[in-house]
Amino acid sequence: DQQVKQNSPSLSVQEGRISILNCDYTNSMFDYFLWYKKYPAEGPTFLISISSIKDKNEDGRFTVFLNKSAKHLSLHIVPSQPGDSAVYFCAGGAGAGSYQLTFGKGTKLSVIP
Amino acid sequence: DAMVIQNPRYQVTQFGKPVTLSCSQTLNHNVMYWYQQKSSQAPKLLFHYYDKDFNNEADTPDNFQSRRPNTSFCFLDIRSPGLGDAAMYLCATSRGVGGNIQYFGAGTRLSVL
Repeated sequence: DQQVKQNSPSLSVQEGRISILNCDYTNSMFDYFLWYKKYPAEGPTFLISISSIKDKNEDGRFTVFLNKSAKHLSLHIVPSQPGDSAVYFCAGGAGAGSYQLTFGKGTKLSVIP
Repeated sequence: DAMVIQNPRYQVTQFGKPVTLSCSQTLNHNVMYWYQQKSSQAPKLLFHYYDKDFNNEADTPDNFQSRRPNTSFCFLDIRSPGLGDAAMYLCATSRGVGGNIQYFGAGTRLSVL
């Protein structure tokens, strides 16, 4: 049972344009979400998070949007840069006392110069 | 400076020959996690330690064991590796309750011949 779904295995975007990575979840108990970025031969690194009490969180070129009613979140990267080419994982966590995460399968983003 | 260090980066073992993967951290985090990740799949949590308390996921095979002798170190023991255990093994840490971000090591790529 996949509680976190990233339905697009890959995405190609032109440099300077917007990248939109999508994530859907089924677990209503999730109350915070994180995005991780992973380069080849490296471990995932934390990128940005959002709590369920918010619908938007922004950090520089990265913005995460949360639509709780649709159980959907998205990561926007504007403008996209070649260095953003990586695999992006969405993860959900449940409950104030919880510290475990459930990950999606990831989306590979390629930013074309 | 790497904060979560996994050794070795690449490990080749023979079918049925025990193998140990190691992880160390300089973050002084309470929680250490072991994930298994196969190609194009989500990282799958095997188990975690909250301080010395061991928490096994229900579907983690008995073939996988873990040790955490102190705060800084955690080991993953695979007692009798099968071909299906070939994967990337990721170690992560987090502060625990009140700290949702997990910090990952670069991973150990395990091959089983």
